[in-house]
Amino acid sequence: DAKTTQPNSMESNEEEPVHLPCNHSTISGTDYIHWYRQLPSQGPEYVIHGLTSNVNNRMASLAIAEDRKSSTLILHRATLRDAAVYYCILRDHRGGADGLTFGKGTHLIIQP
Amino acid sequence: NAGVTQTPKFQVLKTGQSMTLQCAQDMNHEYMSWYRQDPGMGLRLIHYSVGAGITDQGEVPNGYNVSRSTTEDFPLRLLSAAPSQTSVYFCASSYSTGSYEKLFFGSGTQLSVL
Repeated sequence: DAKTTQPNSMESNEEEPVHLPCNHSTISGTDYIHWYRQLPSQGPEYVIHGLTSNVNNRMASLAIAEDRKSSTLILHRATLRDAAVYYCILRDHRGGADGLTFGKGTHLIIQP
Repeated sequence: NAGVTQTPKFQVLKTGQSMTLQCAQDMNHEYMSWYRQDPGMGLRLIHYSVGAGITDQGEVPNGYNVSRSTTEDFPLRLLSAAPSQTSVYFCASSYSTGSYEKLFFGSGTQLSVL
């Protein structure tokens, strides 16, 4: 799977929007962009994924750049419960049994 | 639905002891996998299975064995525990191996090897 680059940490205030960036300049045309998060002492949790178009679900929005070399996970109104490590992961078109390649992710800190 | 269930939640072993970490899913998923997570690191794939009777190695398979006799269960065996296997272990499953599929993770087993 192609590599992603994320900031080590970000800080935001409660009830404000949060934009978490991810760079993936070597993405191939058929790679899916996945986001997972890991709350303290829990297993990773799926957040959202997309291929080319922006995506919305009940948890977040995913904005994908037109050239697909970067994407942004948007939490519209952060709560304390959103404090977690967020992982941006690419999955190539072969999908595969090799699962997900996790980097170190972005540690999101939410201030009350 | 319970999702992905891992037992035990915590385990302490002495070097050389053996044990089995249990993982069960009730979603009829074909794909199951085991990861380990060391402090401050992302998850690394140990072994995976694409269906009952089929298993294969991931990135860090040494020291671990797996089997998949049923769709629901995917146990991870440590034959002779070593301090380097101190880690948090996560089991995950998905319906298939498609690149659009999302993985469901268990809550983890924290293992300490003394």
